[in-house]
Amino acid sequence: DQQVKQNSPSLSVQEGRISILNCDYTNSMFDYFLWYKKYPAEGPTFLISISSIKDKNEDGRFTVFLNKSAKHLSLHIVPSQPGDSAVYFCAASEEGAQKLVFGQGTRLTINP
Amino acid sequence: NAGVMQNPRHLVRRRGQEARLRCSPMKGHSHVYWYRQLPEEGLKFMVYLQKENIIDESGMPKERFSAEFPKEGPSILRIQQVVRGDSAAYFCASSPSMANSGNTIYFGEGSWLTVV
Repeated sequence: DQQVKQNSPSLSVQEGRISILNCDYTNSMFDYFLWYKKYPAEGPTFLISISSIKDKNEDGRFTVFLNKSAKHLSLHIVPSQPGDSAVYFCAASEEGAQKLVFGQGTRLTINP
Repeated sequence: NAGVMQNPRHLVRRRGQEARLRCSPMKGHSHVYWYRQLPEEGLKFMVYLQKENIIDESGMPKERFSAEFPKEGPSILRIQQVVRGDSAAYFCASSPSMANSGNTIYFGEGSWLTVV
């Protein structure tokens, strides 16, 4: 039972354009959402998070949008840079729970 | 300002041997988590520990796997009698307090286990 789904295994974007990564979830008890970036042979690096009481959180080039009614969140990266090429994981947790539930990841490639 | 430290980074074991993976959390962090990433999959929660206590092991396989976080020293993930299906990347993470409601967890570089 995949509670967090990233339906696009890969995404290719031109440098300077906007990258939009999507994530859907099924568990209505999730109240905290995070995005992690991962390079090959390294651990995931925290990017940005959002609480369910908000619908948007912005940090520099990264913005996360949360649509609770649709159980959908997205990560926008603008402008995209070559160093953004990596696998991006969406994760979620329930209030009071200690574990994060991860999506399968989306491999983002930024083309020069 | 050391991050989460894991060792070994790479470990090769023959079927039937034991694997021990170690994790030192970030300074000031008392909560440790272990996750496993199988090839082409996302990270799956295994276990959550505080010092000397296992809080949630709902993601741990029932047999051959164990974890500890002693009062002194690193957290250890132990896999006995390894099989080929245990080949994966094992990530440790830590947080200063409970990882919910805005508390982010930070990951180590991972330990890659290969069973031959």
